[in-house]
Amino acid sequence: DAKTTQPPSMDCAEGRAANLPCNHSTISGNEYVYWYRQIHSQGPQYIIHGLKNNETNEMASLIITEDRKSSTLILPHATLRDTAVYYCIVRAHTGTASKLTFGTGTRLQVTL
Amino acid sequence: DTGVSQDPRHKITKRGQNVTFRCDPISEHNRLYWYRQTLGQGPEFLTYFQNEAQLEKSRLLSDRFSAERPKGSFSTLEIQRTEQGDSAMYLCASSYRQGAYNEQFFGPGTRLTVL
Repeated sequence: DAKTTQPPSMDCAEGRAANLPCNHSTISGNEYVYWYRQIHSQGPQYIIHGLKNNETNEMASLIITEDRKSSTLILPHATLRDTAVYYCIVRAHTGTASKLTFGTGTRLQVTL
Repeated sequence: DTGVSQDPRHKITKRGQNVTFRCDPISEHNRLYWYRQTLGQGPEFLTYFQNEAQLEKSRLLSDRFSAERPKGSFSTLEIQRTEQGDSAMYLCASSYRQGAYNEQFFGPGTRLTVL
């Protein structure tokens, strides 16, 4: 799986949009971009994933650049409960693909 | 609650002792994963099962570690002759393979402290 690069930490004011970047310049054509987050003392939680088109669900939006070398996770209206470590992961959907390869993620602190 | 459950949530043991953790996945999930997480790091993959078959093991899984999923439902992870370096959070996840995409649902983890 391709390696990802994320900033170690970010701050965001409550109610504002949180934009979390991820670089994955070595991504292959069959690899998807996944985002998980981990709130303190809990297991990771799936947020969203995409291949090349932008994706949106009830939690977030995922914007992938046209060359697919980077992406941005957008939390449109951050709340204190969104304070967590956010992990960007790239992985293929092959027949035996299974494990998630986590980096160190971005620690997002949402403040009042 | 129908999520992934893990037991115990916390375990303190002395170096050299054996420990066993249990994971109960979401019903009907045929894939089960074990990860280990140390302070300040992301989770690291250890092993995974599809039904009762253990299909992949990480090099992190030394011969002191063994995992089982005897009936394709719950799973156990045993660590023999624990060492201080085994202190970590042990996370279990499950998924249902539908097509190629399988979102993994994680449990709360078992925090192991080896004294």
